[in-house]
Amino acid sequence: QQPVQSPQAVILREGEDAVINCSSSKALYSVHWYRQKHGEAPVFLMILLKGGEQKGHEKISASFNEKKQQSSLYLTASQLSYSGTYFCGTEMIGGSQGNLIFGKGTKLSVKP
Amino acid sequence: GAVVSQHPSWVICKSGTSVKIECRSLDFQATTMFWYRQFPKQSLMLMATSNEGSKATYEQGVEKDKFLINHASLTLSTLTVTSAHPEDSSFYICSAGLAGVYTGELFFGEGSRLTVL
Repeated sequence: QQPVQSPQAVILREGEDAVINCSSSKALYSVHWYRQKHGEAPVFLMILLKGGEQKGHEKISASFNEKKQQSSLYLTASQLSYSGTYFCGTEMIGGSQGNLIFGKGTKLSVKP
Repeated sequence: GAVVSQHPSWVICKSGTSVKIECRSLDFQATTMFWYRQFPKQSLMLMATSNEGSKATYEQGVEKDKFLINHASLTLSTLTVTSAHPEDSSFYICSAGLAGVYTGELFFGEGSRLTVL
């Protein structure tokens, strides 16, 4: 049931772009994206609901393809502050609200 | 934004003792709170869903008699690790969503690092 994230890790130079993928074998109601910095709590980035949508926040956006049960997080013109581990959390259709199953995470390192 | 506070931030205890971790929503009410466990460099694993005024719902493989959860009010949930052993050492994090309004956003506490000697 745990969604699969790829890649496991990525190293970027400031200003470069990255894509993080999240896929599930189960029918999803929503996909949530969080970023966690070392030793800190995860911070909410965005949620995508079934119905297939795309959202964006500044230079971070995401899409959700409900037919494929896949979501992708797009980071453009990356900044040093983008470094951290990105987790997708999936909510199943018929599941309890807020009951998220998290992927193993993608560690993003942005270098100067 | 909504704030969730956990206490203690870290705790070291001897094997066999019990440890209580508190999770508080400071500026909002939360009918449901979630407890996770995170091992180093690994994902957040949902342990249980804490419901105000009722019994917690535990995920498969989580011992409810070992990890006692109490959600006595709309702003406080506690996790008690009973008879802790070294293998219980981990980072425990709670989260909560806004009561009555589903936005999908969960607010996470800062986490509590438990070390059992």
